[in-house]
Amino acid sequence: GAVVSQHPSWVICKSGTSVKIECRSLDFQATTMFWYRQFPKQSLMLMATSNEGSKATYEQGVEKDKFLINHASLTLSTLTVTSAHPEDSSFYICSAPWTSAYEQYFGPGTRLTVT
Amino acid sequence: AQSVTQLGSHVSVSEGALVLLRCNYSSSVPPYLFWYVQYPNQGLQLLLKYTSAATLVKGINGFEAEFKKSETSFHLTKPSAHMSDAAEYFCAVSDTGTASKLTFGTGTRLQVTL
Repeated sequence: GAVVSQHPSWVICKSGTSVKIECRSLDFQATTMFWYRQFPKQSLMLMATSNEGSKATYEQGVEKDKFLINHASLTLSTLTVTSAHPEDSSFYICSAPWTSAYEQYFGPGTRLTVT
Repeated sequence: AQSVTQLGSHVSVSEGALVLLRCNYSSSVPPYLFWYVQYPNQGLQLLLKYTSAATLVKGINGFEAEFKKSETSFHLTKPSAHMSDAAEYFCAVSDTGTASKLTFGTGTRLQVTL
């Protein structure tokens, strides 16, 4: 199956700093990628849809100025958490749809801890 | 709007026993349904998917699910649980065939005991 990677797998940062998370589709091109957020023992909540070459589409309640998404190529989308605060600590997961297979492939996730 | 409901946030079975994880969906169009498994601190792995072909879908690791339109259900089963099946399981729905964004259920944690 297709492979999606994320980097870093975990990161600790101080409150007020920014953190960038990368999501890559390794063996297929993805014009669309999705970013999810998962709090401990909870389900995945879609944050935004990343579109290659255009602006991301954010779900209701997600601050677009805080969670900056860039999809500069067909294999890379980045999520930047700006001015991070402890409440932003979470598990962030990206996915990329492989349309020919009617399914999405998920990255391994990035654990963000803001101190 | 589409949604999925997973009954039971926690299910415990003995090793060798039947596994049944419940999922009901709501969708205004024919849905595409998925079951994913998540191990601690890892991403999601697809177990199986329903894309309007056969209603009984077989997946990896011995899991299968049956799409029942009349009951709006897509329950996940496995005849004999193994210790390695202990994980979090998510049911998800998509409303198009091009793998658009997924709406997830709240998840069911499966515990397997000796």
